[in-house]
Amino acid sequence: AQKVTQAQTEISVVEKEDVTLDCVYETRDTTYYLFWYKQPPSGELVFLIRRNSFDEQNEISGRYSWNFQKSTSSFNFTITASQVVDSAVYFCALSEAGSNDYKLSFGAGTTVTVRA
Amino acid sequence: NAGVTQTPKFQVLKTGQSMTLQCAQDMNHEYMSWYRQDPGMGLRLIHYSVGAGITDQGEVPNGYNVSRSTTEDFPLRLLSAAPSQTSVYFCASSRPPSMEQYFGPGTRLTVT
Repeated sequence: AQKVTQAQTEISVVEKEDVTLDCVYETRDTTYYLFWYKQPPSGELVFLIRRNSFDEQNEISGRYSWNFQKSTSSFNFTITASQVVDSAVYFCALSEAGSNDYKLSFGAGTTVTVRA
Repeated sequence: NAGVTQTPKFQVLKTGQSMTLQCAQDMNHEYMSWYRQDPGMGLRLIHYSVGAGITDQGEVPNGYNVSRSTTEDFPLRLLSAAPSQTSVYFCASSRPPSMEQYFGPGTRLTVT
């Protein structure tokens, strides 16, 4: 079963628009960790944020903000006032404390294209 | 710090050849892992290690071997390359395992 679902395959916006990426996860563990990674066209995977299941405090970091809601098993990510450099594939990922391999279960990714 | 480094960046192999993908990290991270990224399949865990001398299989280990003789290095060996192993391979590390994993730049492998 898919543990992380990113329903949006592609999003295209004009520069300065806000973009919200949806992420829904599934786990039976009470302790788990959620992540967002960015993969720009150059191909590397860049860590953006980590949240543990006991920390529902939402955060704003510059133009990025995150909304973690355990009640709906969602961990959404918003880019405010998007820029062309934000164009990338964004991955949501889950790591479950109950697993022995600590693997990151990735969603399929959302491709964000920001047009000038 | 160089972070996580991988070599080579690109590689073309013929079916049946073997090779080793190198991965090194200079952050003294305990946990290291190898993923492959395929279109439509996302990233999948191949092998992982929670410390020097300890390795274990991930979800897609067939056709690959790993070893962890030092904290810094975690090479991935393809035993007999097959076209199905054409992929982009990423090495990652973290300390401890539940923390964020930092990825290397990736190796794009083509098997003909």
